[in-house]
Amino acid sequence: DTQMTQSPSSLSASVGDRVTITCQASQDISKCLNWYQQKPGKAPKLLISDASNLETGVPSRFSGSGSGTDFTFTISSLQPEDIATYYCQQCQNLPFSFGGGTKVEI
Amino acid sequence: QVQLVQSGAEVKKPGSSVKVSCRASGGAFSSYVIDWVRQAPGQGLEWMGRIIPISGTTNYAQKFQGRLTITADESTSTAYMELSSLRSEDTAVFYCAREAAGRVAFDYWGQGTLVTVSS
Repeated sequence: DTQMTQSPSSLSASVGDRVTITCQASQDISKCLNWYQQKPGKAPKLLISDASNLETGVPSRFSGSGSGTDFTFTISSLQPEDIATYYCQQCQNLPFSFGGGTKVEI
Repeated sequence: QVQLVQSGAEVKKPGSSVKVSCRASGGAFSSYVIDWVRQAPGQGLEWMGRIIPISGTTNYAQKFQGRLTITADESTSTAYMELSSLRSEDTAVFYCAREAAGRVAFDYWGQGTLVTVSS
């Protein structure tokens, strides 16, 4: 199975800060890596697919990069509404697997 | 607009089974792939399995093999997740999600169903 290691598990930042989250796969997953945002009590929301493709309607301050085993998710300028937990998910191999999540706080 | 609507919260005894439904509207159900994801209280997301309704093909995480059954009824555009031999550690919110067309990314999610396992 492909293990996804996400870091940090939590972070605190200020409005306007640049926030970076990393996700490492235990084996090569090409670019098959998605990022989700989850707010308390809500279902996750797809933000980025295939490592770097921003979903329609998602603000451009969110971005993703990487391939192979190492991936990065960035919020260029943190906004109050970005307070949430973020998850990476690999889609290359069954069983699909998620990272442990990063809780972003202000 | 695609919508996935799940059945309501359940309270179950240890050793029993639970069956959660996920009714889809908008789009062509036969073209969907529906996945199920579990989230224990305060924990992360865990992929459980998926079904391709048009073929009935299923894939399950090894962790749930033998306890998990995912089915779909095309006539009602509904997918089902049944988990048996429940234990307290199965207490969680269960989500269904649709795989986006042509890629394995979950673009639409159900609202979640809380299953509580307690004696």
